[in-house]
Amino acid sequence: AQKVTQAQTEISVVEKEDVTLDCVYETRDTTYYLFWYKQPPSGELVFLIRRNSFDEQNEISGRYSWNFQKSTSSFNFTITASQVVDSAVYFCALSERYGGSQGNLIFGKGTKLSVKP
Amino acid sequence: DAGVTQSPTHLIKTRGQQVTLRCSPKSGHDTVSWYQQALGQGPQFIFQYYEEEERQRGNFPDRFSGHQFPNYSSELNVNALLLGDSALYLCASSPDRAADYTFGSGTRLTVV
Repeated sequence: AQKVTQAQTEISVVEKEDVTLDCVYETRDTTYYLFWYKQPPSGELVFLIRRNSFDEQNEISGRYSWNFQKSTSSFNFTITASQVVDSAVYFCALSERYGGSQGNLIFGKGTKLSVKP
Repeated sequence: DAGVTQSPTHLIKTRGQQVTLRCSPKSGHDTVSWYQQALGQGPQFIFQYYEEEERQRGNFPDRFSGHQFPNYSSELNVNALLLGDSALYLCASSPDRAADYTFGSGTRLTVV
């Protein structure tokens, strides 16, 4: 069955600290996508990254980086030199194929990140 | 280029009533999905519409129904509201066959 686990419910750091958000997934499919979204208090889900199952290259975008390891079914997210504006709830999500189309997103329960000045 | 638009932003309903939420997809997107997000939880998939038909459905009762119009916009209807239906309802649009989802800001429904 599909499942996404974010074991860290809440993390609190001081500004400029590095922080890693963990994500472990379960799927029977060989073709799937993994995502990270940011949800500020306003509620909108802001897309951060999408990675398909055939691309295990790590990615860096500014202060953000992602480590995808199929061997451990993990897709972890690191924020370097955190800032107060990074405070939000972060969701990891999985999407498998459904018929000939793309199936729904399965979300983890989220990790609430608080960055204090 | 407008993203996904949802209306209304907030809504308060009484138990037993019915509610309709609306979603206009991002330009160029023809698939609309709805998610329910209870407080402190991740979004849960309700259903997905493509070509005006329900293509995929999550584990939600028949009280939850939807519709997609020829212009790809969509409605989510919930009948016989329960207190437990209080949540943020998110709409996501995507191009068919593409894992490229854009979310709206959501409708916050409170059932009293």
